[in-house]
Amino acid sequence: GENVEQHPSTLSVQEGDSAVIKCTYSDSASNYFPWYKQELGKRPQLIIDIRSNVGEKKDQRIAVTLNKTAKHFSLHITETQPEDSAVYFCAASKSSASKIIFGSGTRLSIRP
Amino acid sequence: NAGVTQTPKFQVLKTGQSMTLQCAQDMNHNSMYWYRQDPGMGLRLIYYSASEGTTDKGEVPNGYNVSRLNKREFSLRLESAAPSQTSVYFCASTLAGDEQYFGPGTRLTVT
Repeated sequence: GENVEQHPSTLSVQEGDSAVIKCTYSDSASNYFPWYKQELGKRPQLIIDIRSNVGEKKDQRIAVTLNKTAKHFSLHITETQPEDSAVYFCAASKSSASKIIFGSGTRLSIRP
Repeated sequence: NAGVTQTPKFQVLKTGQSMTLQCAQDMNHNSMYWYRQDPGMGLRLIYYSASEGTTDKGEVPNGYNVSRLNKREFSLRLESAAPSQTSVYFCASTLAGDEQYFGPGTRLTVT
């Protein structure tokens, strides 16, 4: 079945610096790749997503890149701020209304 | 719109007891999901329902059953709770396999 691996498991960056989180997926038929942010004690919420017909997508300080050949995608956060501290999950799925598999998460801490 | 709602918010069970976690969504979504999240861990899919009338196993279905009661409601049942089922349970829904909307979670402790 589909497997999604996520690295690193923890990441600490200085406020203002950039953070990068990487994921790889196993099923080449996967075509939808969302990223979720989960603050402590809260529910996960979508922050950005990308489909397999696009190589890169940006939304203000957040960007996601996709390399279909290598089967990996990455989340980039620039100019990090204290409110970026959270756990981030990548995920992959391969068709509408199918199950979605999550990575194991990255705990991002922003140092003041 | 309330989005995705879950009841109860907290529950403590003794080993062997049974209970049903309720989930409802008012967004007319087709697909619904149940996940568990253990402390410091990721989201693991228990069961999902791609559409009304269908259910399928996820990664960790053992010890659980589900019912898609109608398009709005998807319940998760623990027939005989075990301490290993202590976790936070999230329900989620999606219209067409894109953004998943999560409920607030149910924190379950089995002693």
